[in-house]
Amino acid sequence: AQSVTQPDIHITVSEGASLELRCNYSYGATPYLFWYVQSPGQGLQLLLKYFSGDTLVQGIKGFEAEFKRSQSSFNLRKPSVHWSDAAEYFCAARPPRSDSWGKLQFGAGTQVVVTP
Amino acid sequence: DVKVTQSSRYLVKRTGEKVFLECVQDMDHENMFWYRQDPGLGLRLIYFSYDVKMKEKGDIPEGYSVSREKKERFSLILESASTNQTSMYLCASSIGFRDVAGENYGYTFGSGTRLTVV
Repeated sequence: AQSVTQPDIHITVSEGASLELRCNYSYGATPYLFWYVQSPGQGLQLLLKYFSGDTLVQGIKGFEAEFKRSQSSFNLRKPSVHWSDAAEYFCAARPPRSDSWGKLQFGAGTQVVVTP
Repeated sequence: DVKVTQSSRYLVKRTGEKVFLECVQDMDHENMFWYRQDPGLGLRLIYFSYDVKMKEKGDIPEGYSVSREKKERFSLILESASTNQTSMYLCASSIGFRDVAGENYGYTFGSGTRLTVV
């Protein structure tokens, strides 16, 4: 069955430190991959996406993600975290354009807490 | 910018009531989706619609129905609200199946409706 897994439910990081959020997927073919961020009380905002090509993807707010086919992973990174990065982060995937009607499947989310 | 607007941020309803959650998008998107979000479970798809009057069940449709009479509006209906439907409800839209690779930029989400059923 197709799935998206975020192994870390909760991560605490100090302001200024680096951040890496893990995402693993299980799909028959390489899916399209997305990272979203949800600030408290808000909807989800798209950070970045991967469809094909360069495996290092740059996004908004200083985030990047690296696609690794051999590990079925799409990990999100930020070199230096700001207090405003405290939020919940969701990895999502959809099958390549064929039969999915564009539906995204979401991981369970990773809550990021930033300490002073 | 695409905007997806959910009519209510917070809603409190009584058990057994019929509840309507409204969602409107302004960018002529074909696809619209309703998800519910619960702690530890992420986002789960309730229903989606790929065209006016067209709808498909998602992963957890029980207890819900939807209506899409106009392209820009997608309504989620709780026929008889129950306490286990207390949740955050998120609406999203996207361009449709006709997209080619690289042109589907993912969903645009509304701000969510936090529904409490008492």
